[in-house]
This record gives sequence, C-alpha cells and structure tokens, in this order.
Amino acid sequence: RKEVEQDPGPFNVPEGATVAFNCTYSNSASQSFFWYRQDCRKEPKLLMSVYSSGNEDGRFTAQLNRASQYISLLIRDSKLSDSATYLCVVKVHDYKLSFGAGTTVTVRA
Amino acid sequence: DVKVTQSSRYLVKRTGEKVFLECVQDMDHENMFWYRQDPGLGLRLIYFSYDVKMKEKGDIPEGYSVSREKKERFSLILESASTNQTSMYLCASSKPGTGQQETQYFGPGTRLLVL
Repeated sequence: RKEVEQDPGPFNVPEGATVAFNCTYSNSASQSFFWYRQDCRKEPKLLMSVYSSGNEDGRFTAQLNRASQYISLLIRDSKLSDSATYLCVVKVHDYKLSFGAGTTVTVRA
Repeated sequence: DVKVTQSSRYLVKRTGEKVFLECVQDMDHENMFWYRQDPGLGLRLIYFSYDVKMKEKGDIPEGYSVSREKKERFSLILESASTNQTSMYLCASSKPGTGQQETQYFGPGTRLLVL
C-alpha cells in the first residue's frame, strides 16, 4: 500500500468555481503534513503546511483529519493560474517526506 | 532568494554509462535529497544526507550512490545506467526543523534518458 494516495484527477473547473480534493495516508504516526504545488515541467514548491486545527491561506483551505487519516485542500474562487498538480506530502519520520502522486487541477476560462 | 541548481536540465546517456548528477544549494541547508519522479508514482526518495559526508538510503537506492563532500553540494551517481533509470531527477534541500521550517526547496530537475 502506498504511504500517500491521491485521486489523480484531472479536476476541470471553470474560473470562479470551488474545487476540493483529498489525500489519504497510511502511517498513523505521521508527524507533519503539507501541500506542494507543481506546475507543468517545473519543480514542486510548498503551497502550505497543514495544521491540526485546519488553516487558510487566502483562497486555499487545508484540513487534517487524523482519525480518518486524510488531508484535504479546498480552492475557492479558482483562477486560471491555479492550474497545476497538487502534491500531498506527509512527514513520516525525521528527514523523510512521502509524496503523493498528485492531483491535477485545470481551471478553464 | 532560495536557490537550488542542478547541473543539467536534459541528459541522454547509453546503457552501462556512469552518470553524474550534481546539485548545489546556496542556503546553507544541512539536509539534501535526491528524488526521482515518474508518472503515476510521484516523487520517490533515492538518498538523502543530513550532514557533510553523511548519507542515508531512501526508498529506492538500488543502482544509485551519492556523495556529499561539501555542505552545498550533493551528487547522485548512476554507476551503470539502465533504461529503467530513465526519469526526472529532482534534488532538494531543507533545514532541520518542524513545520514550515522543514520546507524542501527543489531544483529545476534533470530529465535523464537512458538509451
């Protein structure tokens, strides 16, 4: 079983729409959680950390459910520039991050 | 501004060749990582290093070795390249810490094709 699993999508949404997707992780001892963003043919970059109480960063909201071992990302008022692959990332133990394969979001005009 | 550079963006090698991929970071980070990224599989950790001359195996170290002689430089070596090592190779670095502090900063990647 993969340590981090994501729905690959793609999620095709119109501008202004809300889109949400989850990822699940297998190791209940996982310590930290993140969303990274990867544009086509570019390197991944940190989008936001995910905190136990949930957190927002502008139009992006991340939630963590430790009991069910999933993390979610919600994007409100989607922009064309939000088109990317979103990588769910879990810190399993010191130094090591486990990456999901990514969820692709395409925002259309 | 944070900067991780990789020696090549594209590389074509023949089966059996020895391949060197170099990564340099200018952020004085202790931790450095090598991943490969393949469609549908995500990023998989090959090796990482948390200090000069220290190295640890990741999830898929077979067929690879690494070298960290200086803090800013982490090299990945394919001793005898094989076609199943055709992939995108990404280097990253980070500081030790928790939460936002442990953000990994990635280089632009090297797309390696082994013929």
